Amino acid sequence: GAGVSQSPSNKVTEKGKDVELRCDPISGHTALYWYRQSLGQGLEFLIYFQGNSAPDKSGLPSDRFSAERTGGSVSTLTIQRTQQEDSAVYLCASSLSSGDTDTQYFGPGTRLTVL
Amino acid sequence: RKEVEQDPGPFNVPEGATVAFNCTYSNSASQSFFWYRQDCRKEPKLLMSVYSSGNEDGRFTAQLNRASQYISLLIRDSKLSDSATYLCVVNFNKFYFGSGTKLNVKP
Repeated sequence: GAGVSQSPSNKVTEKGKDVELRCDPISGHTALYWYRQSLGQGLEFLIYFQGNSAPDKSGLPSDRFSAERTGGSVSTLTIQRTQQEDSAVYLCASSLSSGDTDTQYFGPGTRLTVL
Repeated sequence: RKEVEQDPGPFNVPEGATVAFNCTYSNSASQSFFWYRQDCRKEPKLLMSVYSSGNEDGRFTAQLNRASQYISLLIRDSKLSDSATYLCVVNFNKFYFGSGTKLNVKP
């Protein structure tokens, strides 16, 4: 079946512009995560959605970052007034639930470059 | 203190060698454990889950030591294709990723 998809695969933007990144999780997966990975670094947790519960936003680095998940499926990560330090690969992952044996499946990521 | 800590490496080993990575985690109530593999400029992919009794998948063996709060991954008979970054992942209500251990297998 289809895996996690993300769009766009690459995004180049100018400093100060807003960007929207999209994630389509695996059908039926109730948990969805956003991570950020800078070049040569580990994954940085951003936000986590689980079903209809309030999202865990504890990883969002500033109020310029926000995310929503419509209808429990597709998610959009929005970065307002982008800065050069926002340049990174943004990875989305989904899992069947947040249960202790569930595996996360990652999308291919969106590579964001802020000039 | 980070939730999950790993030696970043790199580990440079010849083909056929046996190599082991360790990972420590801070939350004793952590519920599940995984090793992921990430190739250069690719997304992480699940390598194997880690069970309390230890588990093996071909050349890969994973161990969990709850008392000492560490997880290990052993790779036997290393192949060139094993070159990647190995991420330790711990689940306590959400997933926590280590920063990864880089492995280079050389001919």
